Amino acid sequence: QVQLQQSGLGVVKPSQTLSLTCAISGDSVSSDSASWNWIRQSPSRGLEWLGRTYYRSKWYNNYSIHMKSRITINPDTSKNHFSLQLNSVTPEDTAIYYCTREAVRGWSNFWGPGSLVTVSS
Amino acid sequence: DIVMTQSPESLAVSLGERVTINCKSSQSVFSSSNNNNYLTWYQQKPGQPPKLLIYWASTRESGVPDRFSGSGSGTDFTLTISGLQAEDVAVYFCQQYYGTPYTFGQGTKLEIK
Repeated sequence: QVQLQQSGLGVVKPSQTLSLTCAISGDSVSSDSASWNWIRQSPSRGLEWLGRTYYRSKWYNNYSIHMKSRITINPDTSKNHFSLQLNSVTPEDTAIYYCTREAVRGWSNFWGPGSLVTVSS
Repeated sequence: DIVMTQSPESLAVSLGERVTINCKSSQSVFSSSNNNNYLTWYQQKPGQPPKLLIYWASTRESGVPDRFSGSGSGTDFTLTISGLQAEDVAVYFCQQYYGTPYTFGQGTKLEIK
């Protein structure tokens, strides 16, 4: 059974960097049959897919164009986890952030518990 | 982006009754290369992450009760609960995975009448 455990700061100041980590158990971040996603949820924006990382002989990343160049998702094979960094945050980035395992193609069959991140000075 | 629109936004149904939730995509999410619709449904209960119910528009995830079913093709999809149970109270979301960015419907809140 795959389990995802999230960690990271819950409060970030405007213009600073949001950083979250998702630790994987029961699977490998290097799996060639899964992708590892970040999705966020807020009352104003609903559920919003941010991006993913996956390994298919080499590492790939896909990011939402709406994140522009602010987002980085990195795998860490030594710790079997992946991370999210979102730069230059504003109060609009306040949300619950979820890491997920995407199976085969597109649907998330395992979700982390969620991390509430508040952007506030 | 593919825009996903759900209806209704909320509904209240009596226990044992049939529930129908609709999801419409702004463009087709059907692929003729594999004859599949790239559409999934999730259930979210308060304080929990979404839970996968259905993928490929109509394939139930393992362990999901068979009172949940999905149908539709192209741009119009339906989630049906045949016989509402108290534990089905939740918000339901559709999501397309035809292309990135993956996009979600705004959710349908289901309550007991």
